[in-house]
Amino acid sequence: SYVLTQPPSVSVAPGKTARIICGGKNIGSKSVHWYQQKPGQAPVLVISYDSDRPTGIPERFSGSNSENTATLTISRVEAGDEADYYCQVWDGSSYQVVFGGGTKLTVL
Amino acid sequence: EVRLVESGGVVIQPGGSLRLSCEASGFTFDDYTMHWVRQAPGKGLEWVSLISWDGGVTYYADSVKDQFTISRDNSKNSLYLQMSSLRFEDTALYYCAKGVRGSYYPFDHWGQGTLVTVSS
Repeated sequence: SYVLTQPPSVSVAPGKTARIICGGKNIGSKSVHWYQQKPGQAPVLVISYDSDRPTGIPERFSGSNSENTATLTISRVEAGDEADYYCQVWDGSSYQVVFGGGTKLTVL
Repeated sequence: EVRLVESGGVVIQPGGSLRLSCEASGFTFDDYTMHWVRQAPGKGLEWVSLISWDGGVTYYADSVKDQFTISRDNSKNSLYLQMSSLRFEDTALYYCAKGVRGSYYPFDHWGQGTLVTVSS
C-alpha cells in the first residue's frame, strides 16, 4: 500500500518560516491534504487539494506538491502553531485513505 | 454549525465486540461520505473506514478488514462502526469525520472522539 513519510519533528523560531514535508512515490500526481492537531484536540483541516486554504485558516499557511514531495509551509510562525501536522492522500490502487506519520512542530 | 458526537467507547476484553455511534447535526447528513479514523495513545492518525452517502460504497483499512463493519442510518443522522474480535492494538480514540461535498475526502469536520480500551 501507499506510504507517506514525514519527519518526526521540526523546530522553528517565532516569526520564521516552517516547512513540513511529506514524501511519497509520485505524490505530485495525487491531491494532498494537511491537518493540524493540537494536544487534546481533534484534527483540523488546514490545507486541502495541495494548496487550498479552508475558510478561517490564516494566509500564513500554504501548500505545494510536486514530484515526490508535498510541502506545508507556515510563514511568520506563532506559538499557537505548535502542533502535530499530518499529510493525507487517497490511494486509488487500494481504495484507502493514507495518513503520513505526523510531524511535531515545536516553536522555540 | 456542524456537530459530530461519538459514543460507545468502553473498556473491553480482548475478543469482545462493540458498536460505536456518531450522531451528526448541522448539515444534510445523507449528502456526505463519512469516515472513522482512530488514534492510538501517543500515536498518529490511522484511517479506519469510509461509507458513501447512501451506504452503497464502503472501504476499509487493511488492518480492520473483515473485523470491523461501517454502516449508517440516514433517517437518524447516525454513523456506526461495529467492531468484533477486538485486539489490544485496537485500543485508540475513535473519531468520526465528514467528507467534503462531492468527494470521499478531505475531512472538513471531526468529532471529539470516543475512547476504546482493549484490556484484560
